[in-house]
Amino acid sequence: AQSVTQLGSHVSVSEGALVLLRCNYSSSVPPYLFWYVQYPNQGLQLLLKYTSAATLVKGINGFEAEFKKSETSFHLTKPSAHMSDAAEYFCAVSVNTGFQKLVFGTGTRLLVSP
Amino acid sequence: EAEVAQSPRYKITEKSQAVAFWCDPISGHATLYWYRQILGQGPELLVQFQDESVVDDSQLPKDRFSAERLKGVDSTLKIQPAELGDSAMYLCASSLRRWGPQETQYFGPGTRLLVL
Repeated sequence: AQSVTQLGSHVSVSEGALVLLRCNYSSSVPPYLFWYVQYPNQGLQLLLKYTSAATLVKGINGFEAEFKKSETSFHLTKPSAHMSDAAEYFCAVSVNTGFQKLVFGTGTRLLVSP
Repeated sequence: EAEVAQSPRYKITEKSQAVAFWCDPISGHATLYWYRQILGQGPELLVQFQDESVVDDSQLPKDRFSAERLKGVDSTLKIQPAELGDSAMYLCASSLRRWGPQETQYFGPGTRLLVL
């Protein structure tokens, strides 16, 4: 069964530093991968998604992620953290069964200090 | 910009009471999802509708949970009776098309349930 593993429940960075949030997937077929962000007491918002068109995917708010099949990874990065990036980030994999079923990771909370 | 609406935003209830949550998806979206998110975890799919039909309710505790999407528009999720372990955030999402693993799901703000 498809699944994702997010390494690190909490990541702390300073404002202006590189953000790296890790996600590894397990899938027997080519996966569709997503990164969502959740601000406190809000729903999830799509940051970006991988649909096999390009391995480097650019999303909103300056985030990007690179699909690496050899490493079964889809890590999320941002060159320079901003205070407003503090939130919970979820990686998800879509099961290709016709209709979509997202399986989410456990999330990584990003803390940004001044 | 169109959004998924949910109400109420917060609900406190006592064990054994009935609760209901409402969701209005983005207009024209064929697929509607209900998720449960326990604190500190990722969302878990409870039920998925395509139009008015349930296509996946494998994780829905059917002895106490029910969901409907009459006329294929808005939807209601009900819990009866509520248990302490039901305390969580309940998220509704919708997507435009009926098929396709690459579809984007748009989430509502959620209903936070606390069962005392």
